[in-house]
Amino acid sequence: EAQVTQNPRYLITVTGKKLTVTCSQNMNHEYMSWYRQDPGLGLRQIYYSMNVEVTDKGDVPEGYKVSRKEKRNFPLILESPSPNQTSLYFCASRRDSSYEQYFGPGTRLTVT
Amino acid sequence: GDSVTQMEGPVTLSEEAFLTINCTYTATGYPSLFWYVQYPGEGLQLLLKATKADDKGSNKGFEATYRKETTSFHLEKGSVQVSDSAVYFCALGARGSTLGRLYFGRGTQLTVWP
Repeated sequence: EAQVTQNPRYLITVTGKKLTVTCSQNMNHEYMSWYRQDPGLGLRQIYYSMNVEVTDKGDVPEGYKVSRKEKRNFPLILESPSPNQTSLYFCASRRDSSYEQYFGPGTRLTVT
Repeated sequence: GDSVTQMEGPVTLSEEAFLTINCTYTATGYPSLFWYVQYPGEGLQLLLKATKADDKGSNKGFEATYRKETTSFHLEKGSVQVSDSAVYFCALGARGSTLGRLYFGRGTQLTVWP
């Protein structure tokens, strides 16, 4: 089954404690993205990747890091999480900008 | 730059009412256009798409027509159901873009009452 998986689905952590949210897709897609969803703000892109070792900033990259060492994986790293990073995070992948995007189920992060 | 402007919600309708959610876009070139739906507690999933001017995307009774002259891609459904309650996002994908981005509207919350 074609899918994007994210882990964990729910995470509660404290300020400053480094964390990683994993994302994996099994469709051999080149493009992958991370978004955060906040009430009234819709989806905002954090980072995206066009292929292995090719990443670029989206609209709200501050406080986040990503890496793309393998085509299927695109982890999101918060080196020192802060409460303003409390949000719902989605990973997504697609073959091309003309094609539909497949979303993971989301990770709800709370930083206290 | 490329962007999408979407009708603000929330939208509240009675079952069997007609639905329109407006979406307009700004883009260079000829983008592909999408509507995504997010049901409560779930991720986004593609509802319909159109890849060129005058194309009509349709799915589950929803329709949207790619109008280049008005730069619009409005979502319509003739008779909504309670199960259509969700958040709807309009999105734009720049064809051939080396940046590989999709641009989303802010989303419109739809609630349908029985």
